Amino acid sequence: KNQVEQSPQSLIILEGKNCTLQCNYTVSPFSNLRWYKQDTGRGPVSLTIMTFSENTKSNGRYTATLDADTKQSSLHITASQLSDSASYICVVISMTTDSWGKFQFGAGTQVVVTP
Amino acid sequence: DAGVIQSPRHEVTEMGQEVTLRCKPISGHDYLFWYRQTMMRGLELLIYFNNNVPIDDSGMPEDRFSAKMPNASFSTLKIQPSEPRDSAVYFCASSFSRSGDTQYFGPGTRLTVL
Repeated sequence: KNQVEQSPQSLIILEGKNCTLQCNYTVSPFSNLRWYKQDTGRGPVSLTIMTFSENTKSNGRYTATLDADTKQSSLHITASQLSDSASYICVVISMTTDSWGKFQFGAGTQVVVTP
Repeated sequence: DAGVIQSPRHEVTEMGQEVTLRCKPISGHDYLFWYRQTMMRGLELLIYFNNNVPIDDSGMPEDRFSAKMPNASFSTLKIQPSEPRDSAVYFCASSFSRSGDTQYFGPGTRLTVL
C-alpha cells in the first residue's frame, strides 16, 4: 500500500475559482512534506516544503497546510489561473540521522483549469 | 544560472542497447538525485549522491542500472542492456546540503526502448 495517498486523482475547475488538494500519509518518522507542481513535459517545481512544526506555508496563490497529528496535508489554490493546469505531487520524506532520508511519492492530482 | 542540464532530451533505442543519460547539476549544489517517472508508477527516486558519493541506491531497479558521479559537475545514469519496460522520463535534480532544502529538477530525458 502506498504510504502517500493523494485525492482527488483529477479535477476540473473554472478559472478564478479556488480548489483544495489532499495528501494523506503514513510515513514515519516524518522529516518534511513537499508539494511540487509539474507542467506537462517539464520537470517538477517545488511549491512548498513543510517540517513537523509548520502548520501553514504560502507561495503566492498556493497555500499548503500540514496536520502532523492526523498526517494530512492540503494544497489550496486561490483564484486559479489557466497556468495552474498541471499535476501536483505530494512527497513525504522520512527522517534519518544525517542524509536526506527515504522518499515516498503520491501519485499526483491532475488539475485542469478551464476558461 | 542555467539550472540543471540534462542530455539528451529524447532517446529512442532498441532493446538490448546501452543507454547513457547525462546530468549537470547546479553549480555549488552538493546533492544530486536521479528519478524515473512513468504513468503506471509515478515518480520514483532511483539514487542520490552527496559530494559525488552514492548515498542511497535502494531505488535502482536492478543490476542493469548504474549511476556514477565522477566530479561535482557531472553525473551519468546508464542502462545496459535496455528493455522496453525501461521506457520512462528520467529526471535529474540537485540541491544544497540538507533535506530541508529545495530540489531543482532538470527538464528530463524521455527514453523510449523499442
